[in-house]
Amino acid sequence: DQQVKQNSPSLSVQEGRISILNCDYTNSMFDYFLWYKKYPAEGPTFLISISSIKDKNEDGRFTVFLNKSAKHLSLHIVPSQPGDSAVYFCAASFTSGTYKYIFGTGTRLKVLA
Amino acid sequence: DTAVSQTPKYLVTQMGNDKSIKCEQNLGHDTMYWYKQDSKKFLKIMFSYNNKELIINETVPNRFSPKSPDKAHLNLHINSLELGDSAVYFCASSQFSLTGDQETQYFGPGTRLLVL
Repeated sequence: DQQVKQNSPSLSVQEGRISILNCDYTNSMFDYFLWYKKYPAEGPTFLISISSIKDKNEDGRFTVFLNKSAKHLSLHIVPSQPGDSAVYFCAASFTSGTYKYIFGTGTRLKVLA
Repeated sequence: DTAVSQTPKYLVTQMGNDKSIKCEQNLGHDTMYWYKQDSKKFLKIMFSYNNKELIINETVPNRFSPKSPDKAHLNLHINSLELGDSAVYFCASSQFSLTGDQETQYFGPGTRLLVL
């Protein structure tokens, strides 16, 4: 039972355009969400997070949107750069009581020069 | 000045052997984790230790035994290795906040285990 789903295994985007990565979750008790970026042969690197009390969080080129009613979050990268090519994982968790992250299966983003 | 390091990076071994993977963090965090990423790319938590105390143990076979000698280290020992144990194992660490809030987890580079 996969509680966090990333239904697009891959995405290709032209350099300079917007990349939109999507993530859906099933457990309405999740109240903290994160995006991690992973290059081959490296560990996941934290990118951006959002608490359920917000619907948007922005950090430079990266913006995460949260739609609690739809149990959906998305990561927008604008403008996309070739160095953004990586696998992106979304994760969901709880702000207290447990330190467990539930990860999606990842979306491989390829930014074409 | 690697924040979370793991050794070895690659591990190839025969079925039935016993092996250990070591993890160290120099971030001063008090919580450490082991995750497993299987062939389907699911990244799932296995264990978590807070101040050397086990706080998460996710239905993992008891052939897997984590050991935390101090809060900067969390090692994973695997007995009687099986083919299905082949995966990438990631260590991570975070700091438990005084307010009880979740803190970001930082991951090591992973250990690629192949059981033949």
